[in-house]
Amino acid sequence: DSGVTQTPKHLITATGQRVTLRCSPRSGDLSVYWYQQSLDQGLQFLIQYYNGEERAKGNILERFSAQQFPDLHSELNLSSLELGDSALYFCASSRRDRVGDYGYTFGSGTRLTVV
Amino acid sequence: QQQVKQSPQSLIVQKGGIPIINCAYENTAFDYFPWYQQFPGKGPALLIAIRPDVSEKKEGRFTISFNKSAKQFSLHIMDSQPGDSATYFCAASMSGAGSYQLTFGKGTKLSVIP
Repeated sequence: DSGVTQTPKHLITATGQRVTLRCSPRSGDLSVYWYQQSLDQGLQFLIQYYNGEERAKGNILERFSAQQFPDLHSELNLSSLELGDSALYFCASSRRDRVGDYGYTFGSGTRLTVV
Repeated sequence: QQQVKQSPQSLIVQKGGIPIINCAYENTAFDYFPWYQQFPGKGPALLIAIRPDVSEKKEGRFTISFNKSAKQFSLHIMDSQPGDSATYFCAASMSGAGSYQLTFGKGTKLSVIP
């Protein structure tokens, strides 16, 4: 157990729907990062929050949004889902607002299947 | 544009062999280069990392070799074991302000045959 908790583990939904993925960071970690992993694109950075504030944005679609709450858990909202959004979504956390020498700690991911 | 290129895509070695995975980067501002190991159904886990002020770093059976002038770095796994069978990702990051994300290579699936 890495200490980063992601729920749900699996999600199957229809095109056009909206889903919410949840992440609880490791105790004491203030930064949360979201990544999308697909077979053809590998691990793609989506967005980062640090202590409730957005810190960096990557290849995140406008249909996707995220937030980090005062208790530091984060949610990734995916709307108007398309077949191509099917992927593994990982959350990672770190103590500070940048990578540092200890990298990230990843959760086990949420596997999203859009049908 | 892919900023970290990783090869090979897959690798099969016999137990005890030394698999080598290579990565090349383009952005000279990168100054942190970690390797992650991922088992099926799990998230990536940090294996070993290096900064460009050293040319080699060893942790147990894992060694990173770094060539700053060539903008290349590689992972060597000594005395590989079947339990090392996993997907390995190289990554790069900048420690400067405004750059917080890791840019990953596309991964190498390693199979170690008993």
